[in-house]
Amino acid sequence: KNQVEQSPQSLIILEGKNCTLQCNYTVSPFSNLRWYKQDTGRGPVSLTIMTFSENTKSNGRYTATLDADTKQSSLHITASQLSDSASYICVVSRGSGTYKYIFGTGTRLKVLA
Amino acid sequence: DTEVTQTPKHLVMGMTNKKSLKCEQHMGHRAMYWYKQKAKKPPELMFVYSYEKLSINESVPSRFSPECPNSSLLNLHLHALQPEDSALYLCASSQDFKGRNTEAFFGQGTRLTVV
Repeated sequence: KNQVEQSPQSLIILEGKNCTLQCNYTVSPFSNLRWYKQDTGRGPVSLTIMTFSENTKSNGRYTATLDADTKQSSLHITASQLSDSASYICVVSRGSGTYKYIFGTGTRLKVLA
Repeated sequence: DTEVTQTPKHLVMGMTNKKSLKCEQHMGHRAMYWYKQKAKKPPELMFVYSYEKLSINESVPSRFSPECPNSSLLNLHLHALQPEDSALYLCASSQDFKGRNTEAFFGQGTRLTVV
C-alpha cells in the first residue's frame, strides 16, 4: 500500500533551536519527494523537491535529506524562527501509471519565543 | 509569475445555494488539481485536469462539478452541499500530469463553510 508517514505528529521548540522532522514512505514506484510548509488556513508552499539520485538539498535554513534505500527523508530546520510555526508535509509522487501525489499527515511545528 | 490565485478566499453558503470557486495560473502549466482539506488532515485529491481534459475524478459526489474553460482557469461549481463539505479547498497546478520532477504550486485556498 502506498503510504507516507511522518513523525513526530507535533513538535514544540524554542526560537533559535534546530529540529528535524522525519518522513518514511512505502510509495512505489518512486518518482520524487517534496517537503511543503503550510500555514494554518493557507495553501502549501514548496520547500524542496528531491529525486531518487539526490541525497541532500538545501533551501536557506531548511535542509532535506533522502535515503532511497531505506525510503526515509528528513527535513532539518536550523536556527528556528517564530515564522517557522506551521505544518510541514512530506509528499511523495509515484513514478508511473496514474500520476498521484501521496501526502503525509504532516508535522505541526510550534516555535516559541 | 509563480502564483496560483484562488477566489474567493472565504465563502459561506447555504445548502440550497449554487456557488463557484475559481482558480487561475499563468505559468503555462497543463495540469491543474482540486484538493479538499479538513482541519489537521492532509489534502485529499478530488479532480485532476490535464490539457483541459478531466483525467482523474476521485469518486467525488456530483454536487461538486469541475470545469476547465481554458488552460489557465479551473472552476469548481458547488450545488446542494452538506455541512460536512465545509473545508479548505485548494487548487494546484504543475507543468505536466505524468512527467517527472514536476512541482505542484498551490493556491492559498478557499475556506468554505456550508450552513
